[in-house]
Amino acid sequence: KNEVEQSPQNLTAQEGEFITINCSYSVGISALHWLQQHPGGGIVSLFMLSSGKKKHGRLIATINIQEKHSSLHITASHPRDSAVYICAVTGTASKLTFGTGTRLQVTL
Amino acid sequence: DAGVTQSPTHLIKTRGQQVTLRCSPKSGHDTVSWYQQALGQGPQFIFQYYEEEERQRGNFPDRFSGHQFPNYSSELNVNALLLGDSALYLCASSLRGPPREKLFFGSGTQLSVL
Repeated sequence: KNEVEQSPQNLTAQEGEFITINCSYSVGISALHWLQQHPGGGIVSLFMLSSGKKKHGRLIATINIQEKHSSLHITASHPRDSAVYICAVTGTASKLTFGTGTRLQVTL
Repeated sequence: DAGVTQSPTHLIKTRGQQVTLRCSPKSGHDTVSWYQQALGQGPQFIFQYYEEEERQRGNFPDRFSGHQFPNYSSELNVNALLLGDSALYLCASSLRGPPREKLFFGSGTQLSVL
């Protein structure tokens, strides 16, 4: 079992839909990161969380430390949101462990 | 202010050859971490450098080695290349210690081993 599990692996949505991507982890962490990777490889960091909830534009990220679970929500999705979304955790040794990613396709 | 820069962007090598990839961290960052991302997979941690020393290492063979220079830039060297080394190699920079901010990644080097 991977230390960081994401679901779903693939997600197709219509423009305007509300999207949720889930991340569960099994190790102690100091922080959890949500990342966005577009075709071509570049990774952009969306959020770093250690507790609670953060919001940036149409993106919302939450974390429940007791349940070892985090969610990334996208409101009013748009085709430009199409990308791979990756959850990663920073453990006590400060190294990152990544999930395998959720491939999101938003259609018109 | 330049972010994390990596070079080259693409590289083609043959089995048995050696390769060197380069990374310059974001201004003000002193720690560089390297990751390997195979097609369709999440990145895997290779190693992390700060103060010019390897501080942590993932589950990669000794064929993978690195270096950090006094200006905090870093190199990743892979010897005796195998077909399975074909991947996107990503560099991330940060400040040493517990995470205090979002991560910063380079655009990666796409390595193809033929």
